[in-house]
Amino acid sequence: SQTIHQWPATLVQPVGSPLSLECTVEGTSNPNLYWYRQAAGRGLQLLFYSVGIGQISSEVPQNLSASRPQDRQFILSSKKLLLSDSGFYLCAWREGAATEAFFGQGTRLTVV
Amino acid sequence: KQEVTQIPAALSVPEGENLVLNCSFTDSAIYNLQWFRQDPGKGLTSLLLIQSSQREQTSGRLNASLDKSSGRSTLYIAASQPGDSATYLCAVLFTTGTASKLTFGTGTRLQVTL
Repeated sequence: SQTIHQWPATLVQPVGSPLSLECTVEGTSNPNLYWYRQAAGRGLQLLFYSVGIGQISSEVPQNLSASRPQDRQFILSSKKLLLSDSGFYLCAWREGAATEAFFGQGTRLTVV
Repeated sequence: KQEVTQIPAALSVPEGENLVLNCSFTDSAIYNLQWFRQDPGKGLTSLLLIQSSQREQTSGRLNASLDKSSGRSTLYIAASQPGDSATYLCAVLFTTGTASKLTFGTGTRLQVTL
């Protein structure tokens, strides 16, 4: 069966520090991968998605970047965090463009 | 603009009651609609996926319906239990706009009381 792993679960980082959040999927090949952010009291916002290794699409201009170095690995990064980067970050995957989406357990990021 | 709206924002019901959560969307050109459950501080758990050609899907005490032409979906929960307490999110995959992008509603926070 397929599983998705996301870590760390929580993270507290100072303003200006770098960020690296990792997401891996097991039990499938060539998944579509997604990074979402959920701000308090707001809906989920798509940040990045990837349909293959090295292929990254960005939805909104921001302080973050994403990379897909391997088929089932998706990384969310920042060189210098801002206070506004605080939030709940969720990784998701699906096998095809219109199939069921599955989410990881999320990372709570607090920038102080 | 493609939007998804969920009403009510919060709902409290006594245990055993049947309830309906509502989701509406502004564009009928969709691939599918998916209902999720989110417990506090946790990720999303997929409950039901309805393809655009389907009218409803059932899983245990959950039944989701889809009326694409009117831009509406409902999630029916039968015989509610305290363990059903969570936030329920509706997400739509529109056929136009960004490929594979799920557009989410802001959710309905459900509390089932003893």
